[in-house]
Amino acid sequence: GQQVQQSPASLVLQEGENAELQCNFSSTATRLQWFYQRPGGSLVSLLSNPSGTKHTGRLTSTTVTKERRGSLHISSSQITDSGTYLCAMEASSSFSKLVFGQGTSLSVVP
Amino acid sequence: DPKIIQKPKYLVAVTGSEKILICEQYLGHNAMYWYRQSAKKPLEFMFSYSYQKLMDNQTASSRFQPQSSKKNHLDLQITALKPDDSATYFCASSHRGHNQAPLFGEGTRLSVL
Repeated sequence: GQQVQQSPASLVLQEGENAELQCNFSSTATRLQWFYQRPGGSLVSLLSNPSGTKHTGRLTSTTVTKERRGSLHISSSQITDSGTYLCAMEASSSFSKLVFGQGTSLSVVP
Repeated sequence: DPKIIQKPKYLVAVTGSEKILICEQYLGHNAMYWYRQSAKKPLEFMFSYSYQKLMDNQTASSRFQPQSSKKNHLDLQITALKPDDSATYFCASSHRGHNQAPLFGEGTRLSVL
């Protein structure tokens, strides 16, 4: 079936450092979406990117659809960025069904 | 105010019992979904509904039955509960046809003893 692999599984940064999170997916995707999962469990949509590069605040998402990969760059990390970052692909064959990766657990320390 | 309301937030059930997880959205969205997140597994798609009709079902077990009494409601009935059903169940919604990510509720954390 469709799969999404995220790396690294976990990451520890010092405040102010940058992070690069990777996402690889196994089949054709119409869009790659990035979510932040709070320690309590709720999900927040960060960026939705069919291809190319998109920015919002300190976040940059890059999707290379034909190579089946994407990345999320977090610049100048802050302690409040700590949590789990989830990558999800929307398969071209199924509207709005998201296939999620396992996530990258990010800890930002002082 | 939360726009997607899931009730209850926590639920404890005994094996073999039946529970209903409630989801209501006040975003005017026309599509609603259920996802499940078990321990150490990725979030997993279960169902999608649009205009109260089932669009996609990725849940093999008939013990899981979505129920849509109104277009902004999508409840999830789970019968004959098993310990493996223990997970956090997330409801989500979106506007079908718009290029937007779905919005997720806070989840219902179910523990089956």
